[in-house]
Amino acid sequence: EPEVTQTPSHQVTQMGQEVILRCVPISNHLYFYWYRQILGQKVEFLVSFYNNEISEKSEIFDDQFSVERPDGSNFTLKIRSTKLEDSAMYFCASSVGQMNTGELFFGEGSRLTVL
Amino acid sequence: DAKTTQPPSMDCAEGRAANLPCNHSTISGNEYVYWYRQIHSQGPQYIIHGLKNNETNEMASLIITEDRKSSTLILPHATLRDTAVYYCIVREPLYRPNNDMRFGAGTRLTVKP
Repeated sequence: EPEVTQTPSHQVTQMGQEVILRCVPISNHLYFYWYRQILGQKVEFLVSFYNNEISEKSEIFDDQFSVERPDGSNFTLKIRSTKLEDSAMYFCASSVGQMNTGELFFGEGSRLTVL
Repeated sequence: DAKTTQPPSMDCAEGRAANLPCNHSTISGNEYVYWYRQIHSQGPQYIIHGLKNNETNEMASLIITEDRKSSTLILPHATLRDTAVYYCIVREPLYRPNNDMRFGAGTRLTVKP
């Protein structure tokens, strides 16, 4: 069964370093998302992406964050200068396309630890 | 600006039906009811969705009241592996601003042997 895959599963970084989290969405999907979950808290929406541009972003997704679809398969989340509070599980998701009922398929997540 | 209200936690005996309620009294005519779950710290998993008719799939059944102001997710024979946080979300199915899937606190279901 097709699935969303994410790498790395866990990354430890120093505060101020740049981090790139990678995702391979399901191949025929057109909409891509990043969510995050700080330990013990709810799953929070970060950004949605369609047709090679951001379609929606939350207040969390500030100038330190960026997303990119560098080729036909990968979808990346970059954090330019990590802060301690960026420590969280980051989930990538994808969905099929316009006018469908919009169910999202999530990856298993990338755990980011900022020291 | 929560559109749904769910109990924070519930218990269920293994093998029995788990009935998870959700209130969405301000739901609009175009909004669907979606259910997801999150097992431990895994990625959320889609379960089922519906507009106004009851729905059933291999995982669960969704019962939506006639006025659509509340719904119930039913896991007919709960197993220990169904222990998870269950999220009820209402949204329109179209992709437009401020309509992305947003998760609340959900209901933590514990299935006990």
